[in-house]
Amino acid sequence: DAGVIQSPRHEVTEMGQEVTLRCKPISGHNSLFWYRQTMMRGLELLIYFNNNVPIDDSGMPEDRFSAKMPNASFSTLKIQPSEPRDSAVYFCASSRAGNYLTGVLFFGEGSRLTVL
Amino acid sequence: RKEVEQDPGPFNVPEGATVAFNCTYSNSASQSFFWYRQDCRKEPKLLMSVYSSGNEDGRFTAQLNRASQYISLLIRDSKLSDSATYLCVVIGNTGRRALTFGSGTRLQVQP
Repeated sequence: DAGVIQSPRHEVTEMGQEVTLRCKPISGHNSLFWYRQTMMRGLELLIYFNNNVPIDDSGMPEDRFSAKMPNASFSTLKIQPSEPRDSAVYFCASSRAGNYLTGVLFFGEGSRLTVL
Repeated sequence: RKEVEQDPGPFNVPEGATVAFNCTYSNSASQSFFWYRQDCRKEPKLLMSVYSSGNEDGRFTAQLNRASQYISLLIRDSKLSDSATYLCVVIGNTGRRALTFGSGTRLQVQP
């Protein structure tokens, strides 16, 4: 079975440009999570969706960040305009409904973003 | 105080050694606990859950100490392939932001 699929795997962009990261969760999983990982701050939850509805976006750093989940098989995380401090690895993860509380998350391979 | 704290390491141990990491949590009402493993430049993957009575999976043993609010991971007979970062995960019982990752402890097993 296919795991969580993220694209692009690597993105290098210049400050001020728009960045869109994409995620396809595991089929049948109802919860989707966006995380950001940096050396300084570790793994931070940005937002999570349950049945395509955003449940908690309090981790989204600021208005430059937005996330959507138009259907059960696709989500995007957009940064506009991007800044150098946004450089990080962005992970998408999914879980079956209810399994979120059991801690069983399946992560994609991540999108490594570098903003120059 | 951070919700979940781990010693970043690195823990450098020889092959065959026994090594243990702790992870402390601040919310006494936390309900569920887990260990994830993250290889260099890879995604985190679930290693094992941590049960109140303690649990074992091969060379790995996880324990919970609610009184002192920490969980531990013990690895016996370390292998080179155990080299990775070990992240603890704590799930609280209230609020939406229920699942919190620690920053991880790096283990380097040396030949």
